[in-house]
Amino acid sequence: GENVEQHPSTLSVQEGDSAVIKCTYSDSASNYFPWYKQELGKRPQLIIDIRSNVGEKKDQRIAVTLNKTAKHFSLHITETQPEDSAVYFCAASPNTNAGKSTFGDGTTLTVKP
Amino acid sequence: SQTIHQWPATLVQPVGSPLSLECTVEGTSNPNLYWYRQAAGRGLQLLFYSVGIGQISSEVPQNLSASRPQDRQFILSSKKLLLSDSGFYLCACPRGSGSPNTQYFGPGTRLTVL
Repeated sequence: GENVEQHPSTLSVQEGDSAVIKCTYSDSASNYFPWYKQELGKRPQLIIDIRSNVGEKKDQRIAVTLNKTAKHFSLHITETQPEDSAVYFCAASPNTNAGKSTFGDGTTLTVKP
Repeated sequence: SQTIHQWPATLVQPVGSPLSLECTVEGTSNPNLYWYRQAAGRGLQLLFYSVGIGQISSEVPQNLSASRPQDRQFILSSKKLLLSDSGFYLCACPRGSGSPNTQYFGPGTRLTVL
């Protein structure tokens, strides 16, 4: 089955700096890679995703890159703000009807004002 | 758009007691449904998924079970809880017809087993 590894497990940055979270996956059949943000005590929510036919996708201050050959993808947050503080999860899933996703263990991002 | 209801929101149960967590979905028909568990400070572990009424697939061996008695109802159960069953239980369904692999999560049930 799929195995997703996520690094780092914790990340602390100063407000205004950039943050980068990296994930690797093992199953070459995976072709969809979403990122979720989970604020304290709340449910995870999708913030951005990328499909395997695209190398990069950007949405305002967040961007995701994908290297299919190396089987890794990354989340980039620029100009970080205190409200970006949360746990971020990457995931990988194949394009099947079941739509199962395998999640990384999460990265706790702290943005210091 | 879909809405997921989960209850109870929080639960404290003694070891060895039974468990029943309920998830209901609105705004979609015949959705794939998923149960995840999130242990404290950990990632999301897929426990069960269902592609239709009465169809359950288990992802990890454990003392939990799941049932889908109705199209939009997904239940997580246990006959005897263990301390290790503590965690945040999330029900999920696909975010939309155009995003079958994107998970939309319910508000979750926080279970503490003492």
